[in-house]
Formats: sequence, structure tokens, C-alpha cells
Amino acid sequence: EIVLTQSPGTLSLSPGDRATLSCRASQSVSSSYLAWFQQKSGQAPRLLIFGASSRATGIADRFSGSASGTDFTLTISRLEPEDFAVYYCQQYGMSPEVTFGQGTRLDIK
Amino acid sequence: EVQLLESGGGLVQPGGSLRLTCAASGFTFSRFATTWVRQAPGKGLEWVSGIGGSGTDTYYADSVKGRFTISRDNSKNTLYLQMNSLRAEDTAVYYCAKDQISGDGIWLMSHWGRGTLVTVSS
Repeated sequence: EIVLTQSPGTLSLSPGDRATLSCRASQSVSSSYLAWFQQKSGQAPRLLIFGASSRATGIADRFSGSASGTDFTLTISRLEPEDFAVYYCQQYGMSPEVTFGQGTRLDIK
Repeated sequence: EVQLLESGGGLVQPGGSLRLTCAASGFTFSRFATTWVRQAPGKGLEWVSGIGGSGTDTYYADSVKGRFTISRDNSKNTLYLQMNSLRAEDTAVYYCAKDQISGDGIWLMSHWGRGTLVTVSS
């Protein structure tokens, strides 16, 4: 099973700041099958990024994803008030060994 | 518009059973693999079970294998999760979700329902 470790656990920033969230996989993720989700309190997760760097439909271009080996990054270039939420990474693929990271909480400073 | 609506959650005693239902609309249900994901109170996301579009192929997390059964009725555009021998640690919001692309399933969940709460307690 691939273990995904997200850091930091909590990130406190202000609107307008740049946010950098990390997700490290315990082994190689095939075909960069890594996704990022945003979850606001009381709501279902929302797909932001898939394939490590492709934005899902309707996602603002301030959200971007990148990969370097087993390290994946979600960057929010300029935080809007509605971006403060919990973010999860997830690895997927043909094998149903789907795993999520433990989440990063993005708080307003 | 894709819609997924879960129902069937509630309070059940340890050792009891419950069946969750997810009604799907807005897409060709039989073409897409679908998934159950749960979230314990205050915790992260856990993939529970997945099923291919035809219903032939099913997959389970080790934590529920042998206790939960996923199924689907493509004529009714409905996904099910039969949960038996429930434990306190099964307490969670259960979400159904559909794959982003049609096919056998890559388990990339592009659309999610609002979830249904299952509480296992005496």
C-alpha cells in the first residue's frame, strides 16, 4: 500500500498569500496518478487537481499542482477567503489500492 | 448535471446491519465505476469499496472486507453498500462518488454526494 504523507498538518496564512502544500508518497505513484481535493466544513470533497498537475473542470487557475519523483505539491498562488479549507492528496490508478493523505488544514492567520 | 444522493444512514447497534443507497442521475450510470468513501468524525478520508460499471468487479478496503458488500442496479441508476457486523469504528459519514472517466475504474472521484451519517453505538 502506498502511504501518502502530507505536510504541514496546519498552515496559517492570510488572504493574498501564496500557499504551498506537500504530499510525499512512500513509493512511486504510477503515471503520476495523484489527485488533490478540497473539503470545506460540512461539505463533500471537491476534485481540484488530477494527474498531479491537471486542473479539474471549473477550478480557478490560482490552483496548480506539480510533481518531482515521489513528492507532489499543491500551490495556491494568491489565497482567496473561500480557499481556507482542508486539502487532501489521493493516489489512484488501475489497482484499487486507493489511499489518501491525512490532510492539511489551511487556516486564516 | 451529475447528482449523487446517499440515503440509509442512521444509528445502529454494534453487530447490526445497515444498507446504504446512492441514487445517481445526470450521467450514464452503467459506464462509470463508483466508490464509497467514508470519513469518521473529525478525521480524514478513507476509501471503503469500489465497483466497476458492469457490477462484475468489486473491491474492498481490508478494514471492511468480509463485512461490507457493494453492488449496483444499473436499471435503477443506484449504488448500494450492505454493511454487516458493524463496529464502533465504522461510525462515519459515507460518501458515494463516481469515477472521472468511463471504464473499469481508476478510482479518481470527480463527483461526490453529500454523504450519509452512520453511527454505530449502543
